[in-house]
Amino acid sequence: EAQVTQNPRYLITVTGKKLTVTCSQNMNHEYMSWYRQDPGLGLRQIYYSMNVEVTDKGDVPEGYKVSRKEKRNFPLILESPSPNQTSLYFCASKNGSPGNEQFFGPGTRLTVL
Amino acid sequence: EDQVTQSPEALRLQEGESSSLNCSYTVSGLRGLFWYRQDPGKGPEFLFTLYSAGEEKEKERLKATLTKKESFLHITAPKPEDSATYLCAERAGGKLIFGQGTELSVKP
Repeated sequence: EAQVTQNPRYLITVTGKKLTVTCSQNMNHEYMSWYRQDPGLGLRQIYYSMNVEVTDKGDVPEGYKVSRKEKRNFPLILESPSPNQTSLYFCASKNGSPGNEQFFGPGTRLTVL
Repeated sequence: EDQVTQSPEALRLQEGESSSLNCSYTVSGLRGLFWYRQDPGKGPEFLFTLYSAGEEKEKERLKATLTKKESFLHITAPKPEDSATYLCAERAGGKLIFGQGTELSVKP
């Protein structure tokens, strides 16, 4: 089944404790992206990657890191999480053609205390 | 700055009562206007892509249209299962910029 998977789905952590949210897709898509979704602010793009070893900042990259060493994986790293990073995070992927639909993962709900 | 604005924020309809959702965008040289549906606790699900003014696309009870400044999502004779948040987004380079969404509730 074609899908985007994220782990963990739920995470409660404390300020400053490094964490990684994994994202994997099995559709051989070139493009992958991370979003956060907050009430009243909608979905905002954090980082995206057009292909392996190619990443770029979205609209809210501060406090996040990403890497794209393999085509299927695009982990999101929070080196020193803070409470304002409490949010619902989505990973998405699509193939390279403009306008093609993005497939979204199920989401990771992160709480930073 | 590229921006996407959706209205209304929330819409309550009776089953069978048709209506439209609005999405206005500011990017020049639009490279794609997207509509997604999002159910509570789930990731957005793709509905349509529109590229040029005058373009229309349909799927079941939904029809998306595009003008030079805005897009409409028309819902004809909605059913309770159409209840969801509808998101529009514009493509600006490699980025996708989303509106805040319209929360649609359809009562039987």
